[in-house]
Amino acid sequence: SYELTQPPSVSVSPGQTASITCSGDKLGDKYACWFQQKPGQSPVLVIYQDTKRPSGIPERFSGSNSGNTATLTISGTQAMDEADYYCQAWDSSSVVFGGGTKLTVL
Amino acid sequence: QVQLVQSGAEVKKPGASVKVSCKASGYTFTGYDMHWVRQAPGQGLEWVGWINPNSGGTNYAQKFQGRVTMTADTSINTAYMELSRLRSDDTAVYSCARGVGATSAFDYWGQGTLVTVSS
Repeated sequence: SYELTQPPSVSVSPGQTASITCSGDKLGDKYACWFQQKPGQSPVLVIYQDTKRPSGIPERFSGSNSGNTATLTISGTQAMDEADYYCQAWDSSSVVFGGGTKLTVL
Repeated sequence: QVQLVQSGAEVKKPGASVKVSCKASGYTFTGYDMHWVRQAPGQGLEWVGWINPNSGGTNYAQKFQGRVTMTADTSINTAYMELSRLRSDDTAVYSCARGVGATSAFDYWGQGTLVTVSS
């Protein structure tokens, strides 16, 4: 079965750039999405179709996808961005999630 | 505004079944797929499957095939997910999520329903 691999944790200082990766076989041939989830809350879509931001998502969130890796980049990271982040893709008519990355802003 | 409102928490015994509902409002219910995702305590997201409310067509994750049934009642704009032969490791928050666009991105989520399986 298809797998997406994320680092368990990423740390970033306020105002700096955070990058969270998601790796999967030929992931660049598929569309990747990213979700943000804060404790006790439902996930929020922050990036879809590799690079698109839904309405209401700040411009500091951006995405890319090439080769075997999709990347979520948060520029000028703020304390409010501290959360778990999950990548997601489709494979053979099924949805696959990455294991999640805890972003710590310190 | 788009809203997905789910039914309340459930406590079930091993071997029993549970049926969770997801009532949609603020959009054309039959125009979008509805997905179900679960999250065990302290764990990541796991896709359960989806239903096309217009056609009734479904696609379930292989792990749940034979145990899960998804249905939709278009007269009341409500989707359902029923999971049978419950085990303790089915304890999780189950959420519905609307799929939008060609890639069915999950743009709106329900508030989640905690299903606890315990003897």
